[in-house]
Amino acid sequence: AQSVTQLDSHVSVSEGTPVLLRCNYSSSYSPSLFWYVQHPNKGLQLLLKYTSAATLVKGINGFEAEFKKSETSFHLTKPSAHMSDAAEYFCVVSDRGSGNTGKLIFGQGTTLQVKP
Amino acid sequence: GAGVSQTPSNKVTEKGKYVELRCDPISGHTALYWYRQSLGQGPEFLIYFQGTGAADDSGLPNDRFFAVRPEGSVSTLKIQRTERGDSAVYLCASSRQGVAGELFFGEGSRLTVL
Repeated sequence: AQSVTQLDSHVSVSEGTPVLLRCNYSSSYSPSLFWYVQHPNKGLQLLLKYTSAATLVKGINGFEAEFKKSETSFHLTKPSAHMSDAAEYFCVVSDRGSGNTGKLIFGQGTTLQVKP
Repeated sequence: GAGVSQTPSNKVTEKGKYVELRCDPISGHTALYWYRQSLGQGPEFLIYFQGTGAADDSGLPNDRFFAVRPEGSVSTLKIQRTERGDSAVYLCASSRQGVAGELFFGEGSRLTVL
């Protein structure tokens, strides 16, 4: 079975400092991995995705994530946090091997707080 | 609008009542998904449509839940005999066929069962 574990339920950083949101995955097949962001009262938005091309994936708003198969990790990073980055972040896995592209499995989420 | 539209945005009902939640996907998106998000949790998959047919309904919790997409566009999630445990935000998403994981989500319908 596929699953993702977000290692921190809450992360707090100061504006201008780096962001690290941690995610480990478990998958029977070669996984597709994603990060989604959810701002208050807004719909979930795709930040970036990994689908077996380059292991370092760049997304929107300066975020990037690195797929590390040996560590089964897909951590999300950003060099310098902005106040507007405060939101809920979800690590997500899709089992490409099953042929079902829609059954995304979400982690529990990490709340990112950015302090001025 | 250009995004996924869900109505109502908020629904308060009494235990035992019937509820319908509507989703209008992005035009041209053939795939449509329903997820449920409880407080403090990540979204949980309910059902996935490809066109008019339910390609995967394995996430529906029980037979009180049913969803349709009769013309391959708008979808309705139907919940019979609502229970307090059904209270959650119900999310709809759509995507272009073949683009794995790039789902476009609506803002959700918040259901409260008293």
